[in-house]
Amino acid sequence: NAGVTQTPKFQVLKTGQSMTLQCAQDMNHEYMSWYRQDPGMGLRLIHYSVGAGITDQGEVPNGYNVSRSTTEDFPLRLLSAAPSQTSVYFCASTPGYYGYTFGSGTRLTVV
Amino acid sequence: EDQVTQSPEALRLQEGESSSLNCSYTVSGLRGLFWYRQDPGKGPEFLFTLYSAGEEKEKERLKATLTKKESFLHITAPKPEDSATYLCAVQSTIQGAQKLVFGQGTRLTINP
Repeated sequence: NAGVTQTPKFQVLKTGQSMTLQCAQDMNHEYMSWYRQDPGMGLRLIHYSVGAGITDQGEVPNGYNVSRSTTEDFPLRLLSAAPSQTSVYFCASTPGYYGYTFGSGTRLTVV
Repeated sequence: EDQVTQSPEALRLQEGESSSLNCSYTVSGLRGLFWYRQDPGKGPEFLFTLYSAGEEKEKERLKATLTKKESFLHITAPKPEDSATYLCAVQSTIQGAQKLVFGQGTRLTINP
């Protein structure tokens, strides 16, 4: 049972490049979310999904896209990377009635 | 707007010196209050969920309590391995399970 798996662990992008952060969970959880963590800002919700085919925006969605074609996978796409998107990104999942399980994070630097 | 404020920002204790971390919250109907532990370079690790005022949960040297306005994480006789950042988060009945609102965390250091 792997829990929530995120790839890659580290990434450096140039301004304007696009990329996809991968997230997969093997617990059959309906709810999945993406958070970013910045010093002094805490964890902030980017996008979330309440089931396959259903996604919605969180607190800081601009510059990011998501899709949920299966229960297991919830990729986060950066459309045109900006230095302001330098952060640590966490994917999380929950069955809905319990605490979220978080992945180990992706540390992204945009230069 | 749902808000969570944690204090202090950082706390340094000697091994065996008990203390408490505070989490004050405002939420439009509390669905659940969560405590997480985060080690450097890792994702948050779930500790407790509290649902209603008066509820308490314990795990080893940690005990979480909840009132209508705040939660406390009591740490009794801490050890160096308890050093971590402790995060508090709330879910509201309106937003449901899809949204956690986090505080900024308390960075706890236990000196041997």
